Amino acid sequence: GDSVTQMEGPVTLSEEAFLTINCTYTATGYPSLFWYVQYPGEGLQLLLKATKADDKGSNKGFEATYRKETTSFHLEKGSVQVSDSAVYFCALRGLSGGSYIPTFGRGTSLIVHP
Amino acid sequence: GAGVSQSPSNKVTEKGKDVELRCDPISGHTALYWYRQSLGQGLEFLIYFQGNSAPDKSGLPSDRFSAERTGGSVSTLTIQRTQQEDSAVYLCASSLGGSAQETQYFGPGTRLLVL
Repeated sequence: GDSVTQMEGPVTLSEEAFLTINCTYTATGYPSLFWYVQYPGEGLQLLLKATKADDKGSNKGFEATYRKETTSFHLEKGSVQVSDSAVYFCALRGLSGGSYIPTFGRGTSLIVHP
Repeated sequence: GAGVSQSPSNKVTEKGKDVELRCDPISGHTALYWYRQSLGQGLEFLIYFQGNSAPDKSGLPSDRFSAERTGGSVSTLTIQRTQQEDSAVYLCASSLGGSAQETQYFGPGTRLLVL
């Protein structure tokens, strides 16, 4: 079945540092790829998505590129802020049994220090 | 506008009791999803509804778990004879449709503790 693998956390950075959170996947066909974020005390919300190979999703300074050749969707941000501290989930939706079933990674906690 | 709402927000129950968790999706969203989030684990997909039907129930962990959706809106997840390992946060999400590109909108979750 489909699966998503994210780097283990927590990731601890100083403010203004460069961020990469790795995400790789296995899926049949051509899934859509997503990053969701869960800020402390809040529900999950979409951060960005990409629906086909070579698409780049971007939002709030975060970017991720759908790389079919390496089955990856790594999340990057050039300069993190304390307010980016949250748990980040990589996810895909692929066709399974006629339905587009979502599959999530385990989440990566990001802690940004001033 | 109103987002996805879930009730109760917290539930403490005794082992062996049945519990019902409720989800109110965003109005007009035809697709509804239930997940379980355990400490240190990712989101475990449980079940997905398109309208009132559930094309995929393969994620339900045992026959103690069931879910229904009526009127294409509210959904109830029922756990019978609860066990301590059922303790987790149960999340509901909805999306406008069921295609691969659809964004899911999540509720705040129900935190279930089985003593």
